[in-house]
This record gives sequence, structure tokens and C-alpha cells, in this order.
Amino acid sequence: EPEVTQTPSHQVTQMGQEVILRCVPISNHLYFYWYRQILGQKVEFLVSFYNNEISEKSEIFDDQFSVERPDGSNFTLKIRSTKLEDSAMYFCASSLQGANTEAFFGQGTRLTVV
Amino acid sequence: KNEVEQSPQNLTAQEGEFITINCSYSVGISALHWLQQHPGGGIVSLFMLSSGKKKHGRLIATINIQEKHSSLHITASHPRDSAVYICAVYNQGGKLIFGQGTELSVKP
Repeated sequence: EPEVTQTPSHQVTQMGQEVILRCVPISNHLYFYWYRQILGQKVEFLVSFYNNEISEKSEIFDDQFSVERPDGSNFTLKIRSTKLEDSAMYFCASSLQGANTEAFFGQGTRLTVV
Repeated sequence: KNEVEQSPQNLTAQEGEFITINCSYSVGISALHWLQQHPGGGIVSLFMLSSGKKKHGRLIATINIQEKHSSLHITASHPRDSAVYICAVYNQGGKLIFGQGTELSVKP
């Protein structure tokens, strides 16, 4: 069964360092998303991506964040200068046609900023 | 006030019990997801529904669009059903807005 894969599963980084979280969405899906979940809190939306551009972003997704689909299969989230409060579980998701089609989630990347 | 409210927040049941988790939402949507999150953190989609009822094994999900309410039922609950169950609703742009989750513990 096709699945969304994320790497790495865990990442520890020093405050101020750049991190890149990687995702391989399901191959025929057209809509891609990043969500995050701070420990003990609910999952929150970061950004959606369609047709090689951001279609929606939350207020969390500031200039420190960027997304890219560099090669037609990977979908990356970059955090330029990590802060302690960026520590969270980051989930990538993809869907075939956005709203009204099922979203499939990766297993997540647990990011710890020290 | 949360746009997506789940109840209860925590639920402990005995094996074999019938379980209901409720979700009410205030945002206008096209469809709704029920998701399962295990202690390891991964999220699995259980159902996506926009009307009526869906059934998969011992899980049943219903939705009433007019009342902006959905329920997830688990029949003959089992300890392996222990997890966090999350309701998430779509906005028109396709992003999901999540509830806070219901932590279910099923005791043998």
C-alpha cells in the first residue's frame, strides 16, 4: 500500500541551526501539507502546497520556514534558524485532490532543539 | 473557543464495552477525518466522511452536516484500541483543523 515517508524520524539540533525535514508523498498525490504537534498539544496546520507553490500558510509559518519540492518526489520543510519553541513532532501529509479527498500522513519527525 | 471540540477528552473503558467519541465543529467544511494516534506519535487515517455513515470492522463513524457533529463508535472494544482519537475537519482550501483528541484507554 502506498504511504507517505518522512526522514529522519528523530532530529536533535542546536538552537540557531538550520534543519531540513524530508517527506516523500504518495506518488500521484497533488496536494502536500506540513503540520506540527508540540508535546501535549493538538496538531496544528503549517502550510499547504499545490502546483509548486504555497496555497495556504498559517501565522506560525513565518520567514524562518520554507517549503520546497526540489525534484518531483521529495517535499521538504526547512527551518532556517531553529528556536527552542520549534521542538515538536512534524507531520507531512498528502492527498489526491485536497479538500474532500483522504489525507495520508507520514510517521512524523520528532525535532528537538537544544 | 476551539473550532473543533471533542468529548470526552479522556475515556477509560473495560474490554468489550461500546465506546462513543463525539466531535462538534464550528467551521464550515466539506468533509471530516477521524484519525488515530498511537503513543509512538504516528497518525493513521481511520475515516474520511462528508455525509451519513461509514463502517470499517468494529469502527463506525457518523456525521450530521446540518448539526455540525460527528461521532466515532467502537464496538466490542479491545486493549489494542487504546490510542488518541482525533477529529479533524477540512476547510475549503483543503487544510485540516484538528480537535484536541480523545485519549482512550481500554482495560482488559
